[in-house]
Amino acid sequence: DGGITQSPKYLFRKEGQNVTLSCEQNLNHDAMYWYRQDPGQGLRLIYYSQIVNDFQKGDIAEGYSVSREKKESFPLTVTSAQKNPTAFYLCASSIDFRLAGVLDTQYFGPGTRLTVL
Amino acid sequence: GIQVEQSPPDLILQEGANSTLRCNFSDSVNNLQWFHQNPWGQLINLFYIPSGTKQNGRLSATTVATERYSLLYISSSQTTDSGVYFCAVRGRDGNKLVFGAGTILRVKS
Repeated sequence: DGGITQSPKYLFRKEGQNVTLSCEQNLNHDAMYWYRQDPGQGLRLIYYSQIVNDFQKGDIAEGYSVSREKKESFPLTVTSAQKNPTAFYLCASSIDFRLAGVLDTQYFGPGTRLTVL
Repeated sequence: GIQVEQSPPDLILQEGANSTLRCNFSDSVNNLQWFHQNPWGQLINLFYIPSGTKQNGRLSATTVATERYSLLYISSSQTTDSGVYFCAVRGRDGNKLVFGAGTILRVKS
């Protein structure tokens, strides 16, 4: 089955701890993305990666870090510097966002709900 | 940057009714997608439609790029249509999708 998986589904963190959210895709997509969703709001871009070993900050990158060592994996670390990390985190991928047309279509994983205690 | 406005913010329908959701955007786009977020949070692609009209079963979408809006039509609504519908666009000079705030749809049986 091709798709995007995220783990864990639910994550609880104590204040001051770093946590890492996993995102894996077997769609052979070049581009991957991390979004944050707060209750009643749309999605905001945290980081994106066009290709292995390259990534760019999105609109709300402060307090987050990423890596892209493999094409299929794009983990997100929520650091203790993130002031309000409780949110729903969504990972997405697309074939190559630099290409126009339907190849730019983004597909989403099921999400991780992070709660800071 | 590009702005996206969705309307209405909230919609309650009786099962079997039809509805139209609107997405206005502030600049030319080369990517426009409609998504449905189910009650468990999963976002499902409905349409990739930066221009023109598409249909998929009871759903159809039209984007009038020159007038900077897109419409999502849901006919004969079912309770499983409930959730949040998002419009997302990428401007011609942009490098990211910008999401609207969504329309919350509740379909009652």
